[in-house]
Amino acid sequence: DGGITQSPKYLFRKEGQNVTLSCEQNLNHDAMYWYRQDPGQGLRLIYYSQIVNDFQKGDIAEGYSVSREKKESFPLTVTSAQKNPTAFYLCASSIRAGEGFNEQFFGPGTRLTVL
Amino acid sequence: AQKITQTQPGMFVQEKEAVTLDCTYDTSDQSYGLFWYKQPSSGEMIFLIYQGSYDEQNATEGRYSLNFQKARKSANLVISASQLGDSAMYFCAMREGLRAAGGFKTIFGAGTRLFVKA
Repeated sequence: DGGITQSPKYLFRKEGQNVTLSCEQNLNHDAMYWYRQDPGQGLRLIYYSQIVNDFQKGDIAEGYSVSREKKESFPLTVTSAQKNPTAFYLCASSIRAGEGFNEQFFGPGTRLTVL
Repeated sequence: AQKITQTQPGMFVQEKEAVTLDCTYDTSDQSYGLFWYKQPSSGEMIFLIYQGSYDEQNATEGRYSLNFQKARKSANLVISASQLGDSAMYFCAMREGLRAAGGFKTIFGAGTRLFVKA
């Protein structure tokens, strides 16, 4: 079945450690996104990528890094520079970036807790 | 700056009744798209319905319809014949066209938690 997978589902990290969240899609979508969700709040965009080997900062990119070496993969690294990383992280993809319908499909999310 | 406002933190509805979830938006662009997503307790985001700013008619998808009032900048979600499985968080979202300063980014409202009572 086509879709988006994120791993792990739950992740615990000690303060000062970097951690990488995985996001893979087999939908052949060009665009991929990372969002952060805090309790009781909506989603905020961290990074997005319109095409392989290209990505742009979203609204809250500080303390995060990404790569897009393959069309199907868009891993997110939460660095020690991120002051408050405990949150729910959602990865999404869409056929292309741009105007129009262009629905985003979401993965199941990774819940990151910093101990 | 683009903005999405959902003023209802929580809503209760009786099973089988209809419910309206409010959403207002702010944008200076003429070309934009409005989305509604459902987020059950499992955390996944499920796409429900889409309305383009140039669409003449209100969007409908099964039990979901979007009451689009462009002049008022509102895009309310109407769920007819509520079911227990409709209990979830609901998010309104907007994406402006490429010409806007925000590019094609999608912004989300804070959400409304819907409780369906048996």
